[in-house]
Amino acid sequence: AQSVTQLGSHVSVSEGALVLLRCNYSSSVPPYLFWYVQYPNQGLQLLLKYTSAATLVKGINGFEAEFKKSETSFHLTKPSAHMSDAAEYFCAVRFSGGYNKLIFGAGTRLAVHP
Amino acid sequence: GAVVSQHPSRVICKSGTSVKIECRSLDFQATTMFWYRQFPKQSLMLMATSNEGSKATYEQGVEKDKFLINHASLTLSTLTVTSAHPEDSSFYICSARVPEQESQYFGPGTRLTVL
Repeated sequence: AQSVTQLGSHVSVSEGALVLLRCNYSSSVPPYLFWYVQYPNQGLQLLLKYTSAATLVKGINGFEAEFKKSETSFHLTKPSAHMSDAAEYFCAVRFSGGYNKLIFGAGTRLAVHP
Repeated sequence: GAVVSQHPSRVICKSGTSVKIECRSLDFQATTMFWYRQFPKQSLMLMATSNEGSKATYEQGVEKDKFLINHASLTLSTLTVTSAHPEDSSFYICSARVPEQESQYFGPGTRLTVL
């Protein structure tokens, strides 16, 4: 069965600092993995996705994530945080059964301080 | 890019009334759409998978008679909350699957408040 664990419900960084949001997954088949961002009272926006191509995936807004099979991880990073990055971030794995459902992690709230 | 809209963005209703929420894919055809519910400061909970021209598939614990889903066309799915009660108050989000991209694109959400 697939599942997603996001370590740290809250992460706080200073503006200009490295952002690291952790995601570990469990899957019995090669996974498709996603990172989404949610701003207050809005839907989710796709940041990036891993679909078994390159292990280092670049997304929008300067974010990237690296798929590490040995660690079953798909951590999200950004070299330099911006105030506008403050939001809720969700990691998700695609369910291997019918209809390609997504299974979401609990989310990580990123705060960026000046 | 793939755009998904939801209407209304916010609705307040009295207990016992029914509320319909629309989810539209604006620039692509979506044979599969998904409906999620999100409680404050929590993750998304999948309620059901909506397939064009067939019955929706509900997740365990979701009342199909309470949350009616209709996917009558390739660009429109509707969620009707029947006989709404205050505990149904939540943020409802839909998404549409873009098969060739292996991705889901999400609508902006609908905030339902039942008084």
